[in-house]
Amino acid sequence: GQQVMQIPQYQHVQEGEDFTTYCNSSTTLSNIQWYKQRPGGHPVFLIQLVKSGEVKKQKRLTFQFGEAKKNSSLHITATQTTDVGTYFCAGIGAGTALIFGKGTTLSVSS
Amino acid sequence: DAGITQSPRHKVTETGTPVTLRCHQTENHRYMYWYRQDPGHGLRLIHYSYGVKDTDKGEVSDGYSVSRSKTEDFLLTLESATSSQTSVYFCASSRGGGSYEQYFGPGTRLTVT
Repeated sequence: GQQVMQIPQYQHVQEGEDFTTYCNSSTTLSNIQWYKQRPGGHPVFLIQLVKSGEVKKQKRLTFQFGEAKKNSSLHITATQTTDVGTYFCAGIGAGTALIFGKGTTLSVSS
Repeated sequence: DAGITQSPRHKVTETGTPVTLRCHQTENHRYMYWYRQDPGHGLRLIHYSYGVKDTDKGEVSDGYSVSRSKTEDFLLTLESATSSQTSVYFCASSRGGGSYEQYFGPGTRLTVT
């Protein structure tokens, strides 16, 4: 079945450093979404990408959807302690249900 | 966040007992979902609903059933709880009609002893 893989599983950075997480699907995706889950919290929707090669920015966060619509990335510039949490990508393939990656947990030390 | 609540927020139960978790949304969203979250597994879909009385199985549906009698309510039932069902359960909803972003409830932490 369809799988969505995310790397790395964990990442620790010093405050001010950049961070990138990558998402790869075994099949072509109609769209991809990113969510953030703070420790002890619930996933919160960040953004949705639908077009091949699409790039979207939210302040220090840059999201990209690959040309083949099988991979995506989230890049955070100059991390802050408020960026701590787990970042999930989720894609829709042939069906309508989202398939979530296992997430990348980011920790930031000041 | 959308108005999604879950009850109970925490529950401890014994192996073999039935358990029902409730999800309530006030957004009139068409789609509702139940996920479980376990360390190392991320979010896994249990069941979802695409309308009142319309449900379908997800990736990990064995041992679970669902019901949706009203747009705003989606129930998840563990017919006979097992220790492997100890997990955090999240409910989510989405508007549908081409809008797929999901809004999650606060979660229910279930422990089966």
